[in-house]
Amino acid sequence: GAVVSQHPSWVICKSGTSVKIECRSLDFQATTMFWYRQFPKQSLMLMATSNEGSKATYEQGVEKDKFLINHASLTLSTLTVTSAHPEDSSFYICSARSTGIPFNEQFFGPGTRLTVL
Amino acid sequence: QKEVEQNSGPLSVPEGAIASLNCTYSDRVSQSFFWYRQYSGKSPELIMSIYSNGDKEDGRFTAQLNKASQYVSLLIRDSQPSDSATYLCAVGNQAGTALIFGKGTTLSVSS
Repeated sequence: GAVVSQHPSWVICKSGTSVKIECRSLDFQATTMFWYRQFPKQSLMLMATSNEGSKATYEQGVEKDKFLINHASLTLSTLTVTSAHPEDSSFYICSARSTGIPFNEQFFGPGTRLTVL
Repeated sequence: QKEVEQNSGPLSVPEGAIASLNCTYSDRVSQSFFWYRQYSGKSPELIMSIYSNGDKEDGRFTAQLNKASQYVSLLIRDSQPSDSATYLCAVGNQAGTALIFGKGTTLSVSS
């Protein structure tokens, strides 16, 4: 199946710093990538959708200036959490889909656990 | 607002039994349906996709879709302790651009 990687797998940072998370599709070209956030014992919450070469579309309630998304190539999307605060601590997961993959299937990366002190 | 509903569980079954997971969705025009498995602390893993009414079998897993009733289910035969996880139902939106996830059903298989 399609493989999606994320880096780093976990990160601890101080409040006020910025953190960048990378999401890569390893064996296919991802026309669309999605960024989710998951708090403990809760379901996935879609944060934003990004298409290669265009601006990301953010879900209601997600601050686009705080969560910067860049999808500069067909295999790489990045999420930057700017001025992170403890309430941003969460499990961030990206997923990717492609026109070459059966309709609407998304493949998930392994996730990045962010802890803000 | 488009919704996907699942019983949160936990659903407890003994090893070797059939586990039945259910999901309903609100958007009548949805065309794609998925079951993901998520182990604690891990990201979701796609285990089944189904696009047309009826049953689709893959090993011990069978997905069932009834678009008229807006209902999709997942059956796990010969349940194993390793099947213990949270199972997420996901439904594709009409445009085919995103998935809407349910809150998940936690399955516990006891040996």
